[in-house]
Amino acid sequence: GAVVSQHPSWVICKSGTSVKIECRSLDFQATTMFWYRQFPKQSLMLMATSNEGSKATYEQGVEKDKFLINHASLTLSTLTVTSAHPEDSSFYICSASPQGSGQPQHFGDGTRLSIL
Amino acid sequence: RKEVEQDPGPFNVPEGATVAFNCTYSNSASQSFFWYRQDCRKEPKLLMSVYSSGNEDGRFTAQLNRASQYISLLIRDSKLSDSATYLCVVNPSGGYNKLIFGAGTRLAVHP
Repeated sequence: GAVVSQHPSWVICKSGTSVKIECRSLDFQATTMFWYRQFPKQSLMLMATSNEGSKATYEQGVEKDKFLINHASLTLSTLTVTSAHPEDSSFYICSASPQGSGQPQHFGDGTRLSIL
Repeated sequence: RKEVEQDPGPFNVPEGATVAFNCTYSNSASQSFFWYRQDCRKEPKLLMSVYSSGNEDGRFTAQLNRASQYISLLIRDSKLSDSATYLCVVNPSGGYNKLIFGAGTRLAVHP
């Protein structure tokens, strides 16, 4: 079945560091991928829609200059949290589905980000 | 008002019990509805889609009431392995793309 790989699974770093998270579709192509964030005991919140070859679409309240998204190929989207601060500590998770398939979104394993 | 609202629980039930979760959504034009399961510190996994006519998958039954904007999930004969957080998920535009997640209802099944 369709597999989405996310890397790294866990990051701990100092305040002010920029952190890049990768989301790869391993056995299918995805023109669109989605990035979510989940704080403890809260729902997954859609941050942005990553579009291959074009700019990402950000949800209201999500700073595009803070959360840089690049979708340079049909199998890879990256999310960079720039100058991360403790309030950015969260569970970041991506999803994708085979383009045009109408299949459910497949989620990556998630990245747990802790900013000290 | 949240777009998707769920009772956070936790629901603590013995093995073999029947348990029901409810969910309401605010956008009356929503097209697609799902239940996902999320284990602690893991990614969500699709449990089942929810259809207007109601649908069943083994011990799991999902119901949708569009007039009331209400979705339910019934789990019969609970197993220890059913312990997880159950997420009610809605897509306003249909399909699986832009998903709106509820905060989840936690279920703990004990021996």
